[in-house]
Amino acid sequence: SQELEQSPQSLIVQEGKNLTINCTSSKTLYGLYWYKQKYGEGLIFLMMLQKGGEEKSHEKITAKLDEKKQQSSLHITASQPSHAGIYLCGADIEEDNNNDMRFGAGTRLTVKP
Amino acid sequence: DAGVIQSPRHEVTEMGQEVTLRCKPISGHNSLFWYRQTMMRGLELLIYFNNNVPIDDSGMPEDRFSAKMPNASFSTLKIQPSEPRDSAVYFCASSQGQGDYEQYFGPGTRLTVT
Repeated sequence: SQELEQSPQSLIVQEGKNLTINCTSSKTLYGLYWYKQKYGEGLIFLMMLQKGGEEKSHEKITAKLDEKKQQSSLHITASQPSHAGIYLCGADIEEDNNNDMRFGAGTRLTVKP
Repeated sequence: DAGVIQSPRHEVTEMGQEVTLRCKPISGHNSLFWYRQTMMRGLELLIYFNNNVPIDDSGMPEDRFSAKMPNASFSTLKIQPSEPRDSAVYFCASSQGQGDYEQYFGPGTRLTVT
């Protein structure tokens, strides 16, 4: 099931441009994960956020979890063709005392050289 | 379509026992992925298949883990012997094939090894 709202669904940017992908839930998120799916391969773990207001960076990719822990954004600075792929957010959402993982529908990123 | 089907949904076993997890991908999908969910790293890719052939098994933790895909509609992930540190949620996902295709996830199997 995919209960996280991801936006946009697809994104085409020119190489060198910055971009942002959002992941939103109506419920509190416990453990927010960002993944990248490289074409034809499995998901690659990018980073995990747990605390409200937390921000992490890896190379040119930065992810934040808002203070209310209901939205996360993934920002890519100076995009490169190697950034192309499908970005997926996943999160533990507490429901009925079970922390089951949910996923967004993914954002398809194309970077034009 | 029923989506990706996994069984069992929950499995509790004693250490040393063999555990077999099962997955039925979406009909027509040519790629199948096995993931393990841990608290610290979320989903970790264990192995994936294209057209029933294992492509990358570098994520398989050790020799105790093995995966098979005897046909396009069925795959198994086996742990023998199981250990308490194997306790996790195991997800199966399928996609239409290599290339630019989204993955569709099953509901997962929650494994507890005591």
